Amino acid sequence: DTGVSQNPRHKITKRGQNVTFRCDPISEHNRLYWYRQTLGQGPEFLTYFQNEAQLEKSRLLSDRFSAERPKGSFSTLEIQRTEQGDSAMYLCASSLEGPISPPLHFGNGTRLTVT
Amino acid sequence: DQQVKQNSPSLSVQEGRISILNCDYTNSMFDYFLWYKKYPAEGPTFLISISSIKDKNEDGRFTVFLNKSAKHLSLHIVPSQPGDSAVYFCAASASEDMRFGAGTRLTVKP
Repeated sequence: DTGVSQNPRHKITKRGQNVTFRCDPISEHNRLYWYRQTLGQGPEFLTYFQNEAQLEKSRLLSDRFSAERPKGSFSTLEIQRTEQGDSAMYLCASSLEGPISPPLHFGNGTRLTVT
Repeated sequence: DQQVKQNSPSLSVQEGRISILNCDYTNSMFDYFLWYKKYPAEGPTFLISISSIKDKNEDGRFTVFLNKSAKHLSLHIVPSQPGDSAVYFCAASASEDMRFGAGTRLTVKP
């Protein structure tokens, strides 16, 4: 169990640029979740996958955001035309089934700063 | 809409004493509750959970209490240790929907 891996750890970009983050879940985990955390807040759900199928998207996920999980392994989260309000920590988590039992395993996150 | 609230942004306790972190929720559909701990530059890690059919769950120094009628849960850490210093998030789940509170920063002073 090597844990959930996220890359890059930090990303600084200029407003209007596109960015892509990668998440490698724990290998036997079917479920993969993306959360966003802003300063002073808890993680907010963005979307989740069951294997390669994206089953749910939060209304927080505007059409500038897209997530994929090809082949049901790693996942990417792309943000197009970044805005300053996108600055946040983006957390990936994985689990065997649902989000509670067993509980989610989180990665260390990708911190995005949009200037 | 903030369905899970942690009203204390920070808490400071002396080593060896009890730490009590509180959490309130508004959605009566939540049926499972979790506490996560987060150190700086790391992702949250699972600490302890409780199902809505129970009112207490204990794991070593950590105990979670659930009061469904008050829609309130609390995490007790006894005795508190300096290594417990972290941000603690309360989370509540109804099926696939899990909501987190804003967190409480616990500082345990030696």
